Amino acid sequence: EDQVTQSPEALRLQEGESSSLNCSYTVSGLRGLFWYRQDPGKGPEFLFTLYSAGEEKEKERLKATLTKKESFLHITAPKPEDSATYLCAVGGATNKLIFGTGTLLAVQP
Amino acid sequence: ETGVTQSPTHLIKTRGQQVTLRCSSQSGHNTVSWYQQALGQGPQFIFQYYREEENGRGNFPPRFSGLQFPNYSSELNVNALELDDSALYLCASKSGSSLGDEQFFGPGTRLTVL
Repeated sequence: EDQVTQSPEALRLQEGESSSLNCSYTVSGLRGLFWYRQDPGKGPEFLFTLYSAGEEKEKERLKATLTKKESFLHITAPKPEDSATYLCAVGGATNKLIFGTGTLLAVQP
Repeated sequence: ETGVTQSPTHLIKTRGQQVTLRCSSQSGHNTVSWYQQALGQGPQFIFQYYREEENGRGNFPPRFSGLQFPNYSSELNVNALELDDSALYLCASKSGSSLGDEQFFGPGTRLTVL
């Protein structure tokens, strides 16, 4: 059964303190791993899609990487506006996205 | 370019009632998916429609049903509401049916079942 586990559940950082979020997955026939950002009371906002192990993508202070078992979302020198819940999802042979429960990130000034 | 919109924003129903939620896809998108997100959880896939046909379904009972119209807008219908149906219902649209295509979410409808 396809499964996604995200850690930590919550993370508190000081502004400028870099860190990484983890997404471990089990999927039959990976067709894509997705990262989303979700602000309170809003729908998820698309960040990245990764398709194969070794792939990396960057956007501003965020960098996503992928191995055969997990993905990391690296946040470099975060700012308070980076505070949000970060969701990871995988799509496999079942043709549906399976989401993790998310990491709640709080960046304090 | 108009993004994905959903209506209503909030809704309160009682157990046993029926509800219809609506979604307008982003311009040019022909695929829509619906998700249920309980508090503190990630979204759970309900089903997907591509060009008015259902082409994927998650582990939800038949009382969850949907429609996609020729203009690619969509409805989610839930019959015989249960307390556990209380959640944020999200609609997402994209321009292809492939799983790897980027999809865009609406703001959601918050459903409360009393």
